[in-house]
Amino acid sequence: NAGVMQNPRHLVRRRGQEARLRCSPMKGHSHVYWYRQLPEEGLKFMVYLQKENIIDESGMPKERFSAEFPKEGPSILRIQQVVRGDSAAYFCASSPLGTDYQPQHFGDGTRLSIL
Amino acid sequence: RKEVEQDPGPFNVPEGATVAFNCTYSNSASQSFFWYRQDCRKEPKLLMSVYSSGNEDGRFTAQLNRASQYISLLIRDSKLSDSATYLCVVNIDAGGTSYGKLTFGQGTILTVHP
Repeated sequence: NAGVMQNPRHLVRRRGQEARLRCSPMKGHSHVYWYRQLPEEGLKFMVYLQKENIIDESGMPKERFSAEFPKEGPSILRIQQVVRGDSAAYFCASSPLGTDYQPQHFGDGTRLSIL
Repeated sequence: RKEVEQDPGPFNVPEGATVAFNCTYSNSASQSFFWYRQDCRKEPKLLMSVYSSGNEDGRFTAQLNRASQYISLLIRDSKLSDSATYLCVVNIDAGGTSYGKLTFGQGTILTVHP
């Protein structure tokens, strides 16, 4: 499968624990975007990364959330000290270039549930 | 005001019907436009890009009116498999930097019944 790969598909954490979500972009894509979909809401942009660089994190909460896209390996979205309100579907998308004309291809998402 | 607004529906139509969805966007700096579909909160899948001249892909026709900041999607001869949530998606050029950050509408729910 050459598509965007996200894992895990489902993640359950207790309040206060850490959640790590992984995303491997499509082959040849060096631009990664993370979106969050809260229950009964639309998708909201969180962060845009290129290899080793955060380009735009304007949609990411200032505390507890961080993202990286190292030179080697997948992009990681990390949520520290999770709270109930973090329960959502987290989608990753990739594109070959950081331009607005390239449609983005989405992974299957990670469903995060906080107990 | 939301940056991208859609009628949430739901639209319930019989097979074979023609149905149209509308979407408005508030930021005139919006550069590119797409329709995605999402099934049962799975991943969004690109349905089609929307071009200024309008474009068609089989039973689907998309239109863009930049002056009115309005986008539409027309589905002809609806199939049961068209049942999904249709997402109007806009890329907004922020300060001259185009980098693919997408803004999603809330989605319009379509149910096609036999």
